[in-house]
Amino acid sequence: EAGVAQSPRYKIIEKRQSVAFWCNPISGHATLYWYQQILGQGPKLLIQFQNNGVVDDSQLPKDRFSAERLKGVDSTLKIQPAKLEDSAVYLCASSLVGTLTDTQYFGPGTRLTVL
Amino acid sequence: DQQVKQNSPSLSVQEGRISILNCDYTNSMFDYFLWYKKYPAEGPTFLISISSIKDKNEDGRFTVFLNKSAKHLSLHIVPSQPGDSAVYFCAASPVGPDGLTFGKGTHLIIQP
Repeated sequence: EAGVAQSPRYKIIEKRQSVAFWCNPISGHATLYWYQQILGQGPKLLIQFQNNGVVDDSQLPKDRFSAERLKGVDSTLKIQPAKLEDSAVYLCASSLVGTLTDTQYFGPGTRLTVL
Repeated sequence: DQQVKQNSPSLSVQEGRISILNCDYTNSMFDYFLWYKKYPAEGPTFLISISSIKDKNEDGRFTVFLNKSAKHLSLHIVPSQPGDSAVYFCAASPVGPDGLTFGKGTHLIIQP
């Protein structure tokens, strides 16, 4: 069974530029998560989708971050414009139904460096 | 304010011995606790979990203990093997559709 796919794996941009990340969850998984992991910290939830609807985006900086999952499968996370403090690994995860005990499976992440 | 705390950034253990990783939490609404393992350049992988109604869960060499009154959980690895060298994240989830809250991680190093 294929895991969670993310691209690109690495991205370097200058501050004030825009960037987009792509995630393809495990086939059949209804719930998709985006996490931000700053160096030395644990992953922090940015947004959670259930199919193509947003369940929780309370920690998403909405002035610059946006995410969508239009057809309930793939998802994109965009940052516009990027700031230095956005340098982090962006992790995508998916789970089958999103219940409390449902295991979240993580992709390899996209490492973003903002110069 | 950190709701899940892993106070040991790193831990070095000799191969064959027991590794004990600790985690404390402050949010009494957390109902489900997990440990994830992470190798460099990979995403975290699920290791073991425990529900708040239990105080122990075992899976092979891995055992997680939960002390709800102390808001403390620990992961025991016995015996420790070189492949166990990784960063271990403690995570917690409340009842409901929320995502996981992670600690900062503990880098476990297994010495030969």
